[in-house]
Amino acid sequence: EPEVTQTPSHQVTQMGQEVILRCVPISNHLYFYWYRQILGQKVEFLVSFYNNEISEKSEIFDDQFSVERPDGSNFTLKIRSTKLEDSAMYFCAIRGAFNQPQHFGDGTRLSIL
Amino acid sequence: SQQGEEDPQALSIQEGENATMNCSYKTSINNLQWYRQNSGRGLVHLILIRSNEREKHSGRLRVTLDTSKKSSSLLITASRAADTASYFCATADNTDKLIFGTGTRLQVFP
Repeated sequence: EPEVTQTPSHQVTQMGQEVILRCVPISNHLYFYWYRQILGQKVEFLVSFYNNEISEKSEIFDDQFSVERPDGSNFTLKIRSTKLEDSAMYFCAIRGAFNQPQHFGDGTRLSIL
Repeated sequence: SQQGEEDPQALSIQEGENATMNCSYKTSINNLQWYRQNSGRGLVHLILIRSNEREKHSGRLRVTLDTSKKSSSLLITASRAADTASYFCATADNTDKLIFGTGTRLQVFP
């Protein structure tokens, strides 16, 4: 049973549209992450989020991406104007204390047409 | 340059045999974590080893870490068909983000 639930499991969207991917942890956590995995490639870090603000982001995480915790529970990743190359599996991860494991959700498969 | 590189890229064995996967990295780390991923599915955390640890066990899994060589190995003993998956190492430094390796695809034949 994953410690974090991601919705939707699969999202198909037209290029240029906005998408919102959601992540709901089972219990309270302070540290949140988004990663992505393009088909056949390695998992890549996008952004980390702590205490309601971004603590680090990769160069992939450009202005079209944003994250927030709108209600203190859901953690969302928004892609404003999707591109074909955004097609990937997006994973949310959570962590407790420092130097503890990151636990991943089952992912959202995003397909841009 | 790649932070994490696993070898072999692919490994095929019979049930009951042991499987060993290796991971090399380039920078200083706080910990190294191993994950399993079944095809098209999520990442399942297997084991975390901290930089001051040399070996950890969890069930049929044994992980070693050699910080002087910047390498780690994952040993799965008495493998089962259900162990068929891709296995990734991921390193965490002071910034806490995980940097993943390229993975080893393990196939265990009944």
